[in-house]
Amino acid sequence: DAKTTQPPSMDCAEGRAANLPCNHSTISGNEYVYWYRQIHSQGPQYIIHGLKNNETNEMASLIITEDRKSSTLILPHATLRDTAVYYCIVRSPGGGADGLTFGKGTHLIIQP
Amino acid sequence: DSGVTQTPKHLITATGQRVTLRCSPRSGDLSVYWYQQSLDQGLQFLIQYYNGEERAKGNILERFSAQQFPDLHSELNLSSLELGDSALYFCASNPLAGGHTGELFFGEGSRLTVL
Repeated sequence: DAKTTQPPSMDCAEGRAANLPCNHSTISGNEYVYWYRQIHSQGPQYIIHGLKNNETNEMASLIITEDRKSSTLILPHATLRDTAVYYCIVRSPGGGADGLTFGKGTHLIIQP
Repeated sequence: DSGVTQTPKHLITATGQRVTLRCSPRSGDLSVYWYQQSLDQGLQFLIQYYNGEERAKGNILERFSAQQFPDLHSELNLSSLELGDSALYFCASNPLAGGHTGELFFGEGSRLTVL
């Protein structure tokens, strides 16, 4: 699976859009981009995933660049409850261990 | 609530002991994954079972073993415990065999403290 790079931490004001970047410059054609988050010591929570098209659900939007070398997770109206560690994961279908590989993620802090 | 249940929530034991952590997946999910999260290692994939069979292995120590029962619940057995085994242990489930993993549903974890 391709390696991802995320900033270790970010701040965002409550009510504003939080934009979390992820670099995955070695991503290959069949690898998906997943985002999970983990609120302090709770189990990780799935947010969204995509292959090449932008995706949106009730939690967030995922914007993947045309060359697929980077992506941005957007939380449109951040609340204090969105303070968490956000993990960007690149995963290929099939082959190797099926467990997702979590890196260090971005610690997003929402400021009141 | 993810629908994945883990017990016990907290466990304190001594070095050299053995413990069993239990996981009940979401109703209908055939795959169960185990993860370890310690302060210095982050979230580490340990092992996956699908419908009772071991499917994939990650960074699981030989002192650790797991199994999935016919009713699809899973147990993670940790033996000859060391101080470094203190960690949060998460179970996750999803309905798929693997491949495009899709969404994993995580339980709230079992916090193991080895003294």
